[in-house]
Amino acid sequence: KAGVTQTPRYLIKTRGQQVTLSCSPISGHRSVSWYQQTPGQGLQFLFEYFSETQRNKGNFPGRFSGRQFSNSRSEMNVSTLELGDSALYLCASSVESGTSGAEQYFGPGTRLTVT
Amino acid sequence: TQLLEQSPQFLSIQEGENLTVYCNSSSVFSSLQWYRQEPGEGPVLLVTVVTGGEVKKLKRLTFQFGDARKDSSLHITAAQPGDTGLYLCAGLQGAQKLVFGQGTRLTINP
Repeated sequence: KAGVTQTPRYLIKTRGQQVTLSCSPISGHRSVSWYQQTPGQGLQFLFEYFSETQRNKGNFPGRFSGRQFSNSRSEMNVSTLELGDSALYLCASSVESGTSGAEQYFGPGTRLTVT
Repeated sequence: TQLLEQSPQFLSIQEGENLTVYCNSSSVFSSLQWYRQEPGEGPVLLVTVVTGGEVKKLKRLTFQFGDARKDSSLHITAAQPGDTGLYLCAGLQGAQKLVFGQGTRLTINP
């Protein structure tokens, strides 16, 4: 079974631009979560989508948005990029696993550099 | 404020030694997970612990969930260079929201 894939793997953008990142979950997984990873803040939760609906949202400004399609693929968008948005953006997919918790499978990430 | 505090943040030891990594919080989590991340890759799930006091073993790795479900530890016996990586603990808040610790960067020297 193929793992979580993310495109592109690397991206360089200029301040003020916008960017769209893509995530394809493991087949059969309906939940997709997005995280930002930086050396200073570690891994921080952005948002989670399930069946095309945003179920959870972290403490990020409105410049960060996302969506999920009917095939469970997800995109996240960052508008008006700032230098501080430089980070590794990770996508994770999971199947609802009830009381055992969200066993999430991560993709390799998209390394975004804002200059 | 970090909800999950990991210690130590950095650890460098010789091959064959034992080590313990701690993950502490003032919050209760419904479950806690440990991940390992290598450079250029996403985190890989090692284990999920759900019940207070639970102990799980994965070869030379032993994971323990505190009785109050607020803390956890990872113990590695006879560490090997292949154990090198960033170890992350993550607590589950709500259905699918994981809160991560800052991570422990482990280096095992041959």
